[in-house]
Amino acid sequence: SAVISQKPSRDICQRGTSLTIQCQVDSQVTMMFWYRQQPGQSLTLIATANQGSEATYESGFVIDKFPISRPNLTFSTLTVSNMSPEDSSIYLCSVGVWVLHYEQYFGPGTRLTVT
Amino acid sequence: DQQVKQNSPSLSVQEGRISILNCDYTNSMFDYFLWYKKYPAEGPTFLISISSIKDKNEDGRFTVFLNKSAKHLSLHIVPSQPGDSAVYFCAASGGGANSKLTFGKGITLSVRP
Repeated sequence: SAVISQKPSRDICQRGTSLTIQCQVDSQVTMMFWYRQQPGQSLTLIATANQGSEATYESGFVIDKFPISRPNLTFSTLTVSNMSPEDSSIYLCSVGVWVLHYEQYFGPGTRLTVT
Repeated sequence: DQQVKQNSPSLSVQEGRISILNCDYTNSMFDYFLWYKKYPAEGPTFLISISSIKDKNEDGRFTVFLNKSAKHLSLHIVPSQPGDSAVYFCAASGGGANSKLTFGKGITLSVRP
């Protein structure tokens, strides 16, 4: 398994500002993902961030709004830029691991409220 | 268009009885399915998975059944315990290099003592 920590756990931010969320994994992993869970909704994949390559964004998400860094195999950051109240969500970091089968492990999430 | 559907938003069962959580999918390319449990203020926790080459996978009190022809899977929890009360997400993957997951909206399970 993989143990994932995220910072901050929660934040309240003003409209127009940016927040960078950090994700730290206790082991080296190639595949890392960033998800968003809006209130009452499912988890939606924002982007895949594999070390050594540019992040791949899903439809509806762009790099200017959600820049991602992946400097090594244990760490990644997601920035939510120029925030609006619609960005209020839980943001989750996840890693993909192949053991006997494929599993994805999730961090505890960052609860963001934009006022 | 929701590719993974959990049509029942909630389920309430008595402690000791069976909980059956259902999930339907529309994308025939999905070949790997996972169930997650989520408590408030925590990230989802992996429970059990099943590959499309199987129709059943068991792990302790948790069993997942897959009916490929119906594009339907279900999670059975026997016996249900109060600590099982949580939101359960079904997720699907088409496999491949990035194995990204598509999630359903979740089912809130309440197990009554």
